[in-house]
Amino acid sequence: EAQVTQNPRYLITVTGKKLTVTCSQNMNHEYMSWYRQDPGLGLRQIYYSMNVEVTDKGDVPEGYKVSRKEKRNFPLILESPSPNQTSLYFCASSLQGGNQPQHFGDGTRLSIL
Amino acid sequence: AQSVAQPEDQVNVAEGNPLTVKCTYSVSGNPYLFWYVQYPNRGLQFLLKYITGDNLVKGSYGFEAEFNKSQTSFHLKKPSALVSDSALYFCAVRDFSSGGYNKLIFGAGTRLAVHP
Repeated sequence: EAQVTQNPRYLITVTGKKLTVTCSQNMNHEYMSWYRQDPGLGLRQIYYSMNVEVTDKGDVPEGYKVSRKEKRNFPLILESPSPNQTSLYFCASSLQGGNQPQHFGDGTRLSIL
Repeated sequence: AQSVAQPEDQVNVAEGNPLTVKCTYSVSGNPYLFWYVQYPNRGLQFLLKYITGDNLVKGSYGFEAEFNKSQTSFHLKKPSALVSDSALYFCAVRDFSSGGYNKLIFGAGTRLAVHP
């Protein structure tokens, strides 16, 4: 089954404790992206990757890091999480091309205390 | 700057009645427009898209959307609503100015509540 898998689905942690949210897709998609969803704001792009070893900032990259060492994986790293990063996070992937729909994971709800 | 507006936070409709979820956009150039649906505790699912061609686009689960260039709108419609259509709906436009050409700009979302 074609899917985007995120882990963990839920995480409660404390300020300053490094964490990684994993994202993996099995569709051989070149493009991958991380979004955060906050009430009333829709989804905002954090980072994206056009292909292996090619990553760039989205609209709200502060406090986050990513890597793309393999085509299927695109982890999101919070080196020193803060309460304002409490949010619902989505990973998405798609083929290249502006007309391609994106496929989303089921989300990771992070609570930073 | 490119943007998407969903003017209604919530839309309420009775089962069996037609539904409309509104979306307007602001882009430079020709828009690539998308609708996604989000069910509780799930990721966004693609419903339909407008790239070019016929202004009436048909998608999944009986949904359709009408592209209106003069009104810069892309409203989502369904002739007969089901209780199972209750979900959060997002309109999105492709941002070709940044984000690697695949980036989407999302509206704030509209919650659709279909009552029995």
